[in-house]
Amino acid sequence: EIVMTQSPATLSVSPGERATLSCRASQSVSSNLAWYQQKPGQAPRLLIYGASIRATGIPARFSGSGSGTEFTLTISILQSEDFAVYYCQQYNNWPPWTFGQGTKVEIK
Amino acid sequence: QVTLRESGPALVKPTQTLTLTCTFSGFSLSSTGMCVSWVRQPPGKALEWLALIDWDDDKYYSTSLKTRLTISKDTSKNQVVLTMTNMDPVDTATYYCVRGVIPLFDYWGQGTLVTVSS
Repeated sequence: EIVMTQSPATLSVSPGERATLSCRASQSVSSNLAWYQQKPGQAPRLLIYGASIRATGIPARFSGSGSGTEFTLTISILQSEDFAVYYCQQYNNWPPWTFGQGTKVEIK
Repeated sequence: QVTLRESGPALVKPTQTLTLTCTFSGFSLSSTGMCVSWVRQPPGKALEWLALIDWDDDKYYSTSLKTRLTISKDTSKNQVVLTMTNMDPVDTATYYCVRGVIPLFDYWGQGTLVTVSS
């Protein structure tokens, strides 16, 4: 089973600043990596798939990069609606599909 | 427009069997590549994949929960059903139904909170 590790657990950022979130896989997942955003009381929403492809309707301020075992989600200019928990997920070696533990982006 | 809605009991007792139904619209589970998964999330914790069924009726289960889970589909009703036996308080979680084009998950239901308590 591939273990996904996200860092940091919590990221404190001011609106308008850049946020950089990391995700590491215990073995290569190629580019089969997705990012989800989850706001309080809501279901997760697909942001990025294929490590760098924005899902339909996702603003350009969200970008993903990486391949193999190291991945990054960058939010270029944080808006108030971006404060949420972000999860990475690998879909290269399945089953199982595995998620990271999440990074909470909070207002500084 | 793809929508998924989970339904089932909000409260179950320890040792009971949980049955959850996912009713969906906007896609057909008989189309090649389509799949529906169940993912759960204990309060304040991370997401955990449980089971998946695809268009060809192939089924996949979490290794740690495999003996307790059964997933099935009724394509004519646009429904997927998950049963989990021998429920325990640690199974308290929000259970999500998720559409995918295998192996990627894209649309999530709103989730249903299941509490296990006597």
